[in-house]
Amino acid sequence: GIQVEQSPPDLILQEGANSTLRCNFSDSVNNLQWFHQNPWGQLINLFYIPSGTKQNGRLSATTVATERYSLLYISSSQTTDSGVYFCAVPLDGGYNKLIFGAGTRLAVHP
Amino acid sequence: GAGVSQSPSNKVTEKGKDVELRCDPISGHTALYWYRQSLGQGLEFLIYFQGNSAPDKSGLPSDRFSAERTGGSVSTLTIQRTQQEDSAVYLCASSPKLAGVTTDTQYFGPGTRLTVL
Repeated sequence: GIQVEQSPPDLILQEGANSTLRCNFSDSVNNLQWFHQNPWGQLINLFYIPSGTKQNGRLSATTVATERYSLLYISSSQTTDSGVYFCAVPLDGGYNKLIFGAGTRLAVHP
Repeated sequence: GAGVSQSPSNKVTEKGKDVELRCDPISGHTALYWYRQSLGQGLEFLIYFQGNSAPDKSGLPSDRFSAERTGGSVSTLTIQRTQQEDSAVYLCASSPKLAGVTTDTQYFGPGTRLTVL
């Protein structure tokens, strides 16, 4: 089945720094989502981005479907950005059940 | 409500007991998913409901797990004869799954933290 790998597994930043999180997947996909899991456990949608580039405030994401990777950029990081970032793609090649990467745990210190 | 809701938020039970976890999806969403998040296994798919179709149960770890969705809305995940390895956060998600639309963002509830003693 499809494999999803995220890097780095852990990241520590000083407030104001920029970072790039990476998601590699082993097969072509038609759906890719980035989520932020906050310290209270809530999974929050960041981007639905099967291809191309999207931006939302300080966050942006790029998916290069032909090369099977996606990048999440966080600029001018804030302490509220702390948590775990997951990418997820469909387990079955469709749009349905998702398989998640292991996540990148981000800690932003003041 | 505005988002996916789940109840209870926390459940502590004794090994061997049955538990029921509830999910209320976003109104109008036709697709509903259950996932489990545990320390050893990360986030894993359990079961998927789409409209009136038969559910996709391919992710259920054993026959002690079952789920139903009544009236195309509320869903209940039941775990019979709970074991300690069932301890995890159980997450529910829903999505619009509109016909003819290929984008399908899943929206997650806050989860139920299950602890089996």
